[in-house]
Amino acid sequence: SQTIHQWPATLVQPVGSPLSLECTVEGTSNPNLYWYRQAAGRGLQLLFYSVGIGQISSEVPQNLSASRPQDRQFILSSKKLLLSDSGFYLCAWSRRGLTYGYTFGSGTRLTVV
Amino acid sequence: AQTVTQSQPEMSVQEAETVTLSCTYDTSESDYYLFWYKQPPSRQMILVIRQEAYKQQNATENRFSVNFQKAAKSFSLKISDSQLGDAAMYFCAYYSNYQLIWGAGTKLIIKP
Repeated sequence: SQTIHQWPATLVQPVGSPLSLECTVEGTSNPNLYWYRQAAGRGLQLLFYSVGIGQISSEVPQNLSASRPQDRQFILSSKKLLLSDSGFYLCAWSRRGLTYGYTFGSGTRLTVV
Repeated sequence: AQTVTQSQPEMSVQEAETVTLSCTYDTSESDYYLFWYKQPPSRQMILVIRQEAYKQQNATENRFSVNFQKAAKSFSLKISDSQLGDAAMYFCAYYSNYQLIWGAGTKLIIKP
């Protein structure tokens, strides 16, 4: 069966520090991969999605970047965090076509102080 | 552009009762998919139920069922025999043409 792992679960980082969140998927190949952010009490905002290795699409211009060095690995990064980067970050995968919806990771709660 | 609207920011229901969460959407597409996701306090997003627009039959998963009205562009979620573990944020989502559009969510409170 397919599983998705996301870490760390919680992170507190100072303003200006770098960020690296990692997400890996097991049990499938060629998944579509996604990074979402959710502010407290709000809906989901799509940040990046990837349909293949090295292929990244950005939905919202911002202080973050994403990379997909391997088929089942998706990384969210920042060189210098801002206070506004605080939030709950969710990684997700889907089959091609998305008709079966997403499977989400357990999320990372990021607090920038 | 497609939009998804959840008009109920918060709903409450007595344990063991039935509750219906509303979702409407706007689209010009004829073939699409609709989803309900649940986000409990742990904040992990969990797929509750999925509906294919070309299927007239309403999807059902145990205590969860939908009322899909394609002409009215309505996709409500009914939860029967509500349990304390159903307390969560519920998000409605629409998929077509490689886009997944999310509603703002409805917070469901279960009263013991």
